[in-house]
Amino acid sequence: GAVVSQHPSWVICKSGTSVKIECRSLDFQATTMFWYRQFPKQSLMLMATSNEGSKATYEQGVEKDKFLINHASLTLSTLTVTSAHPEDSSFYICSASPGQANTEAFFGQGTRLTVV
Amino acid sequence: KQEVTQIPAALSVPEGENLVLNCSFTDSAIYNLQWFRQDPGKGLTSLLLIQSSQREQTSGRLNASLDKSSGRSTLYIAASQPGDSATYLCALTGNQFYFGTGTSLTVIP
Repeated sequence: GAVVSQHPSWVICKSGTSVKIECRSLDFQATTMFWYRQFPKQSLMLMATSNEGSKATYEQGVEKDKFLINHASLTLSTLTVTSAHPEDSSFYICSASPGQANTEAFFGQGTRLTVV
Repeated sequence: KQEVTQIPAALSVPEGENLVLNCSFTDSAIYNLQWFRQDPGKGLTSLLLIQSSQREQTSGRLNASLDKSSGRSTLYIAASQPGDSATYLCALTGNQFYFGTGTSLTVIP
């Protein structure tokens, strides 16, 4: 299947700093990528839909100024957690589909963010 | 709004047993249903994709079925192995992905 690579796999940062997470589709182009957040022992919660060349669409309750998304190319989307706080500590996962919307989705390996 | 529920939340079986994981959803207007596996602290691995026009898909020891009219999907795992231990998630695609609550499976050697 298609490969989605996410980097870094884990990061520890100090409170108040910003952290950037990258999501790359390695062998296909993706006009749309999705960012999810997962709390321990819970399912994935969609945070935002990243659209290449345009603004991301954020889900209700997700602060767009806090979670900056940039989808500058057809193979790369980035999520920047700005002014991180301990409550932002979580597991973040991205996904992308090689075909049209709603075809098979492939997920990155996730990023464990710990804010101390 | 689409709601996706997976039952049971946790399951523990002895090695070699066949098992069924259940996924139910409230809105039958879906495009596809996809089953994933997630190991602790890892991302999601796609197991099977069933398009809305299909009834089932098979891959090795895995068989997934889809009944849109009843709002149900099942994942059948034959001859379970300790390596099958993981959390299994179903997800429906409509306008976006809707994830189930997951079933944590433990296969005891």
